[in-house]
Parts: sequence; C-alpha cells; structure tokens
Amino acid sequence: AQSVTQPDIHITVSEGASLELRCNYSYGATPYLFWYVQSPGQGLQLLLKYFSGDTLVQGIKGFEAEFKRSQSSFNLRKPSVHWSDAAEYFCAVGAPHAGNNRKLIWGLGTSLAVNP
Amino acid sequence: KAGVTQTPRYLIKTRGQQVTLSCSPISGHRSVSWYQQTPGQGLQFLFEYFSETQRNKGNFPGRFSGRQFSNSRSEMNVSTLELGDSALYLCASSLGQGQYDEQYFGPGTRLTVT
Repeated sequence: AQSVTQPDIHITVSEGASLELRCNYSYGATPYLFWYVQSPGQGLQLLLKYFSGDTLVQGIKGFEAEFKRSQSSFNLRKPSVHWSDAAEYFCAVGAPHAGNNRKLIWGLGTSLAVNP
Repeated sequence: KAGVTQTPRYLIKTRGQQVTLSCSPISGHRSVSWYQQTPGQGLQFLFEYFSETQRNKGNFPGRFSGRQFSNSRSEMNVSTLELGDSALYLCASSLGQGQYDEQYFGPGTRLTVT
C-alpha cells in the first residue's frame, strides 16, 4: 500500500528567501503525486500534480516540484517566498490504474510561517 | 462561478446524536468527495460520489454514510456520534475523475462532539 511522509511539521522562512518542502512516498511504481495548499479560512487548492513525463512540474503561484524516482521524493520549491504563502501544505499520493478504486493518501502537512 | 459551499460551517453535537452535513459542488461538477481532517490523522478519505452513485469508499465504519442528488449536491450523515468524530469535514468537487482530477474544496464543516 502506498504511504506519504512530510518530514517537516513546521517551517519558518523569511520573506524573499527560497523554500523547499519535502515529500517522500512509498509505492512500488511511479505514483500520481499532488501538492495542495490550505490557507487560513480557505479551502484546499491544488498547486500542481505529476502523472508522468517531465519530472519538473510547474504549478500556480510560482511553485514547482521535482519528481525523483531514485529518492522516492516529490519536493515542492519556490525561489522567493511571499508573506501570503504562509499556509499548510499537503502532499498526496495516488496509485495509477486504480480504476474506480482511486484514493489519495495524504501527508500530515507542513505548516509554513513567513517572517517579514 | 460560485465555489463549493458547505453547510453548516460549525456544529456542536452530543455523543450519540446524529448529524447531516451538506455540500453544494461547483456548477457542472459531477464528482463529490468527502474527507475528514484531524490534527493527528490528517486528511482521510470518506467517500466519493459520481452521478448519484457511490464510486469509492474509505475505511470508515458504517455510521458514516452519504448520498448524492441528481443536481450533484451531496450530503453525508454520521449516526451515533462519538467523541472521536470531532473534526473538520471537507467536501471537494471535480469534473469527473474524482480525486485524481483537480479538486475544488469547500471551507469545511467544523463538527464538535461533546
């Protein structure tokens, strides 16, 4: 069964600094991979997803993520963080070819704080 | 286009009672999924509906049930509430592929069981 780990519960960065949020998964093949963001008082929003192809994925709000099969990772990055990026970030994993048994397995999230 | 709406936003119930939560998806979206979010367990999938049919179900007891109407609105019901059911219940809608599609989440219903 697949699983996903977000090793960092909480991260604090300064505004303008670069950001990398870690996501590690356990699955026998290449899974479907997602990053969602949950801002205070708002619903979860999809940042980006990876199914196949180019391992560097561009998302919304200036985020990107890189799939590394050898490390079973799908880390989220942003070159310059803005105060509005303070939120909870979730990585999720899904098994391809699951048909009607599609289920996302979610990490516990990383809380990002941004210092002015 | 209006987003996903969930009602009520907050709810306080007593152990043993039952509760019904409502979700109105984005217009044109036919798939609705429900999740339970708690600090210790994170997001856990409850069930997914598409065109009034339950297409997928998570590992929750039978006290948790749901349904979807012909207008794609969905309800979930929890009977015989337990203290551990206190959580944020999230509804998400998508065009058709459910959880692997881009899901649009509502703000959630915060359920407190006392």
